[in-house]
Amino acid sequence: EDQVTQSPEALRLQEGESSSLNCSYTVSGLRGLFWYRQDPGKGPEFLFTLYSAGEEKEKERLKATLTKKESFLHITAPKPEDSATYLCAVQVSGNQFYFGTGTSLTVIP
Amino acid sequence: DAGVIQSPRHEVTEMGQEVTLRCKPISGHNSLFWYRQTMMRGLELLIYFNNNVPIDDSGMPEDRFSAKMPNASFSTLKIQPSEPRDSAVYFCASSGQYNEQFFGPGTRLTVL
Repeated sequence: EDQVTQSPEALRLQEGESSSLNCSYTVSGLRGLFWYRQDPGKGPEFLFTLYSAGEEKEKERLKATLTKKESFLHITAPKPEDSATYLCAVQVSGNQFYFGTGTSLTVIP
Repeated sequence: DAGVIQSPRHEVTEMGQEVTLRCKPISGHNSLFWYRQTMMRGLELLIYFNNNVPIDDSGMPEDRFSAKMPNASFSTLKIQPSEPRDSAVYFCASSGQYNEQFFGPGTRLTVL
């Protein structure tokens, strides 16, 4: 059964304290792995797409990496405005997508 | 571009009533998705369309749920009759050739 698991469920960091979020998956035929950011009361906002193991993408303080079994979202020197829920999703056959339940990140000033 | 537009933003209804949620995708996008988000189950894909054609509705929970896409700029998700367990936030998303999805602001549905 296709499954996506994110950890930790919640993470509290001091401003400037770097860390990583994990997204592990067991799917047949990965077509792509996506990271989204969701703020309270809003829809998810697209961050990155990764297609193959070894691929990396960066945007400001965020860097996403992909292996054959998991993806990491690294946050370097986070700021309070990085506080949000981060979701990962995998695309399998066609346009079938499975989302993880997310990591709620709080960055304390 | 205004992004994905959903209406209404909030809907409160009583059990047994019909509910219709509406979505306007981003112009030029050929795929449209309906999701439901709850605290317990997270974000679940209900159905998706490619070029206005329903491709996979295996996520639709029951026959009470139906979705249509009569043209490239409009889709509806209907629940008839509604039940309290349908209370959730419903998102519409659209995507183009690169598969990244752009989400609307969601409709928060409360069924009393």
